[in-house]
Amino acid sequence: AQKVTQAQTEISVVEKEDVTLDCVYETRDTTYYLFWYKQPPSGELVFLIRRNSFDEQNEISGRYSWNFQKSTSSFNFTITASQVVDSAVYFCALSEARTGNQFYFGTGTSLTVIP
Amino acid sequence: DAGVIQSPRHEVTEMGQEVTLRCKPISGHNSLFWYRQTMMRGLELLIYFNNNVPIDDSGMPEDRFSAKMPNASFSTLKIQPSEPRDSAVYFCASSLAQRGYYNEQFFGPGTRLTVL
Repeated sequence: AQKVTQAQTEISVVEKEDVTLDCVYETRDTTYYLFWYKQPPSGELVFLIRRNSFDEQNEISGRYSWNFQKSTSSFNFTITASQVVDSAVYFCALSEARTGNQFYFGTGTSLTVIP
Repeated sequence: DAGVIQSPRHEVTEMGQEVTLRCKPISGHNSLFWYRQTMMRGLELLIYFNNNVPIDDSGMPEDRFSAKMPNASFSTLKIQPSEPRDSAVYFCASSLAQRGYYNEQFFGPGTRLTVL
């Protein structure tokens, strides 16, 4: 069974629009971590954020914000006022306490920001 | 600070040849991961090490693949013999694993392997 589901395969938005990338996870652990990574066209994977299961506070970093809701097992990522440089594939990942520091990655969402 | 270093960045080889990919993790990190990324299968974990010891190699496709970590600062992924279906981008990542606390993985730039 897929532990991390990113149902949106591809999204296109026009520059300056807001966009939300969905991430739904599945785990029986009470202790776990969630992550978002960005993979721009150049190919490297860039770490964006980590959130642990005991901290449901939303986080904002510039134009980026993350909404963690345990009740719906979701960890969604919103980009406000999108820019062309935001075009990339975004991956959500889960790490569970019982399996150590192994990551379970979603299949990624490809975001294209049209100028 | 230097990030994860991988070499070579690109490798083109012929079917049947041996291929060795190399990785130097971030200094001080004690966990190392090898991933493979293809369009068809996405990002797959092949194997990971904690303190130089292989923990889970269930993602290694078959016996043609082997990985070693002789010390804390170096790891190799070897494919022998290589096949066209091995063509992919291979990423190495490292992290600092502490008991009860799971840190983010930092990825290298990847090695783009093409097997003709």
